[in-house]
Amino acid sequence: GDSVTQMEGPVTLSEEAFLTINCTYTATGYPSLFWYVQYPGEGLQLLLKATKADDKGSNKGFEATYRKETTSFHLEKGSVQVSDSAVYFCALSDRDASGNQFYFGTGTSLTVIP
Amino acid sequence: SQTIHQWPATLVQPVGSPLSLECTVEGTSNPNLYWYRQAAGRGLQLLFYSVGIGQISSEVPQNLSASRPQDRQFILSSKKLLLSDSGFYLCAWRRGNGYTFGSGTRLTVV
Repeated sequence: GDSVTQMEGPVTLSEEAFLTINCTYTATGYPSLFWYVQYPGEGLQLLLKATKADDKGSNKGFEATYRKETTSFHLEKGSVQVSDSAVYFCALSDRDASGNQFYFGTGTSLTVIP
Repeated sequence: SQTIHQWPATLVQPVGSPLSLECTVEGTSNPNLYWYRQAAGRGLQLLFYSVGIGQISSEVPQNLSASRPQDRQFILSSKKLLLSDSGFYLCAWRRGNGYTFGSGTRLTVV
């Protein structure tokens, strides 16, 4: 079945450091891929998405490229800020009897220190 | 505008007590609605989804139930909470190929 494997945390970085959070997936079809972010005390928010191979999703300085050959969707940011401290979830959406089914990774906690 | 509301934000309940979490959607009709749970150290797990009034599909057998009494209302319930029911519960509304999530309810069963 479909699944998402995400880099375990927690991750602690200094401000302005480079961020990579690895995500790989297993899917039987042609899924869409997502990164969601959960800031402290808030619900999940969509950060970025890519719907087909080689697409690059980007938002707020974050980027991720849909790599079908390596079944990956790694999240990157060139220079993190303290405000980026949150939990990041990689997810895929595939079609099944309910229309679309979502599969989430376990989440990676990021703390950025000044 | 299209929004999703979920309450309460936090809840502390004793073992054996009942549970009712409510989720409502505004600005749309006949939405597909979902309940997810995030347990500590684990990813999000789909609990229930509903494609219409009175239509509930369960993904994981458990101590919980869901109901869809109105088009834009989705309720998560339990008759008797267990310690293992503690977690972060999210209501979600599927919009096209993406989801909009509620703000979540952090449930602690003591």
